[in-house]
Amino acid sequence: TQLLEQSPQFLSIQEGENLTVYCNSSSVFSSLQWYRQEPGEGPVLLVTVVTGGEVKKLKRLTFQFGDARKDSSLHITAAQPGDTGLYLCAGVGTTDSWGKLQFGAGTQVVVTP
Amino acid sequence: KAGVTQTPRYLIKTRGQQVTLSCSPISGHRSVSWYQQTPGQGLQFLFEYFSETQRNKGNFPGRFSGRQFSNSRSEMNVSTLELGDSALYLCASSLAGGGSYNEQFFGPGTRLTVL
Repeated sequence: TQLLEQSPQFLSIQEGENLTVYCNSSSVFSSLQWYRQEPGEGPVLLVTVVTGGEVKKLKRLTFQFGDARKDSSLHITAAQPGDTGLYLCAGVGTTDSWGKLQFGAGTQVVVTP
Repeated sequence: KAGVTQTPRYLIKTRGQQVTLSCSPISGHRSVSWYQQTPGQGLQFLFEYFSETQRNKGNFPGRFSGRQFSNSRSEMNVSTLELGDSALYLCASSLAGGGSYNEQFFGPGTRLTVL
């Protein structure tokens, strides 16, 4: 089993501040995906990163895949209350990967006005 | 394009009963994966179906089973329910279910409570 560790577990910030969420593993992944989940709903896909060192930007969100494809980060600039949610990273393994995502435990982000 | 739909949204059962959950994938998607989400364990992979065949399975007991129909709709069944089966059950669909771009799109989930 390839484990993904997310940190921090919980993050509470004021509107306008920046934040970074980390997703680390000792294993190599084919790709990593980031999702945001709101209470009572399923996770919503934000981005997929595939190439080591890849950086993707989605408005105020910046995603980075580590050079060795073992870790990833999500940075939010000037956070807004609408960014509140559970952020999950999920890896596609290099083996035994049919239809299977390995999820981190998640980071609960709360942005207060 | 309609998203992934799951029915029912909420279920309350008692220990020992069985339950069947349904998932309709995004049109054109042939892979359906199922996950169990609990506060303690997070999202855990149950199994994946593609073209009516189970291709992958997680570490869950045999009480958890599933199937997929020719229209790609999928069902999962849990027999002899236990209190610990209380969870949010999520299904996700993808085009082919494999490879680096295994982008999965999730439904809203079925909240199962076992009393």
